[in-house]
Amino acid sequence: DTGVSQDPRHKITKRGQNVTFRCDPISEHNRLYWYRQTLGQGPEFLTYFQNEAQLEKSRLLSDRFSAERPKGSFSTLEIQRTEQGDSAMYLCASSLGGHFYEQYFGPGTRLTVT
Amino acid sequence: RKEVEQDPGPFNVPEGATVAFNCTYSNSASQSFFWYRQDCRKEPKLLMSVYSSGNEDGRFTAQLNRASQYISLLIRDSKLSDSATYLCVVTSSTGNQFYFGTGTSLTVIP
Repeated sequence: DTGVSQDPRHKITKRGQNVTFRCDPISEHNRLYWYRQTLGQGPEFLTYFQNEAQLEKSRLLSDRFSAERPKGSFSTLEIQRTEQGDSAMYLCASSLGGHFYEQYFGPGTRLTVT
Repeated sequence: RKEVEQDPGPFNVPEGATVAFNCTYSNSASQSFFWYRQDCRKEPKLLMSVYSSGNEDGRFTAQLNRASQYISLLIRDSKLSDSATYLCVVTSSTGNQFYFGTGTSLTVIP
C-alpha cells in the first residue's frame, strides 16, 4: 500500500501525559499537512510542511503542540501535557505541490484523553 | 466569523433525485476551492476541484461564485453510494492553509 500511513491508529492516554504520532506521506509528496477533526466537524488545519520546513501553523495551535519533519519524509506530531479537549482524530495528508493539488489523507490517529 | 460555512443537513433524498449543497466563505482572496467526500469513520477524499468557470464530472457539477463568495455542488441522479458527508474546502490567500466546512450529510434512500 503506497498511501499515507499513520501510527498509531488509536491512542488512549491520561491527562497530563505526552503523546507522539507519526505520519508517513506518499513518497514523492513534498507537502505534508496535519489536521484535527472532532465529531460533527470538518478537519481543522493545524500545520503544514514543505519538505522539512514548517511554513505555516494555525493560530489555534497551542504551544503544547509541536510538529517536525526532519528529513522531509515522515513527520511527527507531539502533544505535551495532554488535556481532555485534545481528544480528537488527528489526520495527516500529503500532496505533490501547491494548493491546486489533491491532498491524500491517512486513516488518522484517534486520541482519547481520560 | 468562520472561514467556511456549510449547512450540516442532513439531506435525505430518494434515489434518482437531484440535490444541491452550498457553501460560503469569508476571505475574498482565497486561492482554491474543492469538494471532498468523507464516508463514515473514513478519511476525506477529493471529489472535485472547483474552477471559476464551473466544472462537471459525470453526475457532479461544481460552481464558484467569487462575487458572492460561495461554491456549490450539484448531484444529479443520486445513487445509494452517494451517501456520505460532503466537505467544502477553501484555501487561505497564500494557498497554504486549507479550511474545511463542517460538512453536509447526505443519505440517499432506496
